[in-house]
This record gives sequence, structure tokens and C-alpha cells, in this order.
Amino acid sequence: ETGVTQTPRHLVMGMTNKKSLKCEQHLGHNAMYWYKQSAKKPLELMFVYNFKEQTENNSVPSRFSPECPNSSHLFLHLHTLQPEDSALYLCASSPQHLRGNPATGNQPQHFGDGTRLSIL
Amino acid sequence: EDQVTQSPEALRLQEGESSSLNCSYTVSGLRGLFWYRQDPGKGPEFLFTLYSAGEEKEKERLKATLTKKESFLHITAPKPEDSATYLCAVQATGGSQGNLIFGKGTKLSVKP
Repeated sequence: ETGVTQTPRHLVMGMTNKKSLKCEQHLGHNAMYWYKQSAKKPLELMFVYNFKEQTENNSVPSRFSPECPNSSHLFLHLHTLQPEDSALYLCASSPQHLRGNPATGNQPQHFGDGTRLSIL
Repeated sequence: EDQVTQSPEALRLQEGESSSLNCSYTVSGLRGLFWYRQDPGKGPEFLFTLYSAGEEKEKERLKATLTKKESFLHITAPKPEDSATYLCAVQATGGSQGNLIFGKGTKLSVKP
């Protein structure tokens, strides 16, 4: 497989359930990202991992818990979600995250096809 | 605050009718501007990166240009398969440095 793969593609869960989203990249990248995409809104960055270390938590509620066991895999653990959490969750990867490194060139992020999450 | 605004929100074209999409940005310093294409039920697909004012890049019927305040995505003689949502994102040198700031996108529909 190549690129960024996300599973499951669709998920329906109740507010009291616990589930996890999985992302795997086969691009040899060292940075991975979680984004939330809601209708009529721009993509919202949630978390950033660079070389397995979390470098960004964009004020995300604690009911979302990321995990990055290695540079190829990223998880988003979900518990006690709210109806407003229904959205498309996108994973992305890039060679590395560039924060604070003005000497490094720009590198595009490559996205998976997302998990469509519906909270009942 | 770093900001990206895309216009129009939606654009309907006839096949062969050329047009342009706009991406206006406000950043403390631009590290790069990115264009993506997103089809329904899919993730964004990378198209172009532009780094400095005056730069242009082309791919098939698409041409992206950059000034100090905005970027245009020109679509020449579009085909129905060009129908998609086009997303613009900027990467800044300060504030949100390193992170991509996205616009809301322009939904393009090309009718045969």
C-alpha cells in the first residue's frame, strides 16, 4: 500500500461509547497530523506529532486522546463525545513538522480519505 | 492573526468556460501557500506549493499564481472531471508557524 490510509471510513457511535480511529502512512514521513473537517468550516488542526513526540495540541477537548506509537501510525481515541463532534476526521503526514525551523523548506502534507464520524 | 479567505464560495461553469478562484491571505510572514483539491468522500489531494510573489505553477488545465496578498487558481477550458472543492492553505513564519491555515474552499461544478 502507498499513501495515507485511515480506518474505519465510517463510524457511528453513541455518546457514551469508546472507539478509536487509526491512521497509517507508507510515505516514510516523520510528522503526522489530525484535522477535523466540518461543513462550511475550514479544516481545523487538532494534533501534531513530529518524530513520535506531540508538538501541538490545538486546545482540543480531553475527550479526544491521540497516540503515536511510531512514525507510521497514529490513533485518535474517542470517548464521551458530543453531537457537535460529528465531522470528517482527516489524518495527514509530511516529511517533518517545520515549527520554529526557518531554514527548512516547505513540504506539503499528504492526507488520507478520512473517517466520517456520526455521534448519535 | 493569520487568516485565509477564499472566493467565491461556489462556482458553476460550463465545460470550456475558463475562470479563476481567489485565495486572499493575511500572515505575519509567508513560508508557503498550498493548493489542494478535494473530491466528495475523499481527503484533500495536493496540487501546488508557491513560495514567493510572482511565482507560477501549472498542471494540466490548472495554473496557480501568487502575489503578496493573494493567490489565484486559473482553470482553462475546464472539464466535468475538474469538479471538486479547491482548498487553499498558508504556512506562516510567525504565530501559527509551521501549521497550515486553511480557507473554507471553493466548490467548483463544471457542467457538460
